[in-house]
Amino acid sequence: QKEVEQNSGPLSVPEGAIASLNCTYSDRGSQSFFWYRQYSGKSPELIMSIYSNGDQEDGRFTAQLNKASQYVSLLIRDSQPSDSATYLCAVIRGGSNYKLTFGKGTLLTVNP
Amino acid sequence: DADVTQTPRNRITKTGKRIMLECSQTKGHDRMYWYRQDPGLGLRLIYYSFDVKDINKGEISDGYSVSRQAQAKFSLSLESAIPNQTALYFCATSDLGGWDGAFFGQGTRLTVV
Repeated sequence: QKEVEQNSGPLSVPEGAIASLNCTYSDRGSQSFFWYRQYSGKSPELIMSIYSNGDQEDGRFTAQLNKASQYVSLLIRDSQPSDSATYLCAVIRGGSNYKLTFGKGTLLTVNP
Repeated sequence: DADVTQTPRNRITKTGKRIMLECSQTKGHDRMYWYRQDPGLGLRLIYYSFDVKDINKGEISDGYSVSRQAQAKFSLSLESAIPNQTALYFCATSDLGGWDGAFFGQGTRLTVV
């Protein structure tokens, strides 16, 4: 089982719609969860962090965490063509066995 | 100026050559990482360092070596480059606890011919 799994996509949504991106992780010791946005040929950019069960909102972005289901999601409201990118889910297990693990990413395309 | 700076940004080298990729940061972070990214394979960890005296292998360290010259500098070397090391390489940093995620440099596109 892969440590962090994401649908590779592409996920295609019309402009103005809600884009929903999903991620599952295998390590129940995971403690911090992140979403990165990566434009083609550019470096990953941290856009959301979430540490406890529930929702974390920042502007048009909402991260959702369910530790019991080992599931993290990212909702993008009012999607814009500029949101078209690959979204990477990342998970941290802390302590003496600290590890930061990335999923392979989901390609999102927002159509005008 | 970028908080995490990588040099060079692009490099073409020949098979068998030794090449060094450099990373410097002004974020004051203790932890530094080297990743490579290939289409369809995502980000894969090569080496990481939690402080100047602590260096650890990642999942794909064969063919690579690193040097942590100072808290702010972490270099990646390919001792004898081969074509399948052609990839996009990223340096990243995180704070001591790592709880705020990692911050990436602009990347180095390396082509081995």
